[in-house]
Amino acid sequence: ETGVTQSPTHLIKTRGQQVTLRCSSQSGHNTVSWYQQALGQGPQFIFQYYREEENGRGNFPPRFSGLQFPNYSSELNVNALELDDSALYLCASSSPRQGATNTEAFFGQGTRLTVV
Amino acid sequence: RKEVEQDPGPFNVPEGATVAFNCTYSNSASQSFFWYRQDCRKEPKLLMSVYSSGNEDGRFTAQLNRASQYISLLIRDSKLSDSATYLCVVNRGNTPLVFGKGTRLSVIA
Repeated sequence: ETGVTQSPTHLIKTRGQQVTLRCSSQSGHNTVSWYQQALGQGPQFIFQYYREEENGRGNFPPRFSGLQFPNYSSELNVNALELDDSALYLCASSSPRQGATNTEAFFGQGTRLTVV
Repeated sequence: RKEVEQDPGPFNVPEGATVAFNCTYSNSASQSFFWYRQDCRKEPKLLMSVYSSGNEDGRFTAQLNRASQYISLLIRDSKLSDSATYLCVVNRGNTPLVFGKGTRLSVIA
């Protein structure tokens, strides 16, 4: 087990609703990244948080937002849900080392979101 | 053009076979390279990092060709339990991981 936990594991929402997904990072990890994985695709980067600040964002609209808390856990919020938001949402935690170029990321088991 | 490209497969191979996957990346600034394994409806898990000199872990061998910007994964003596999707992943320093779409492998008895 990676020590990264996500909740809930499964969720069904209606188009137009809002959703909050949660992630507890591995102990000692200060960086959390969120990814969206649609069926048959690789994970796509949404954004990353480092010490409670957004530290990079992928090509996702502003209705995708997030937070990181002092204990480094994180939330992903999606407003105005669309059918295409149906996907597996993955959280990955890491602790980048200064000057390092090869930092392993540990994934949670994901939240499977279905929008109907 | 996608930053990381892989043949999606599926690769259907008998037990005991040797199978190889290739992956190409477009950003020459990429510094770190990985293969992740993802089982159906599960999260990706790191299989191995890929180093310039090539590296081996049991039945798995990874190679990196920086000049041609491709990465390979070789699996020898395939087992049924190797059936999964193999994701090629790159990043530039501490930037977020960039994933390929994955290559599906089915090992058949």
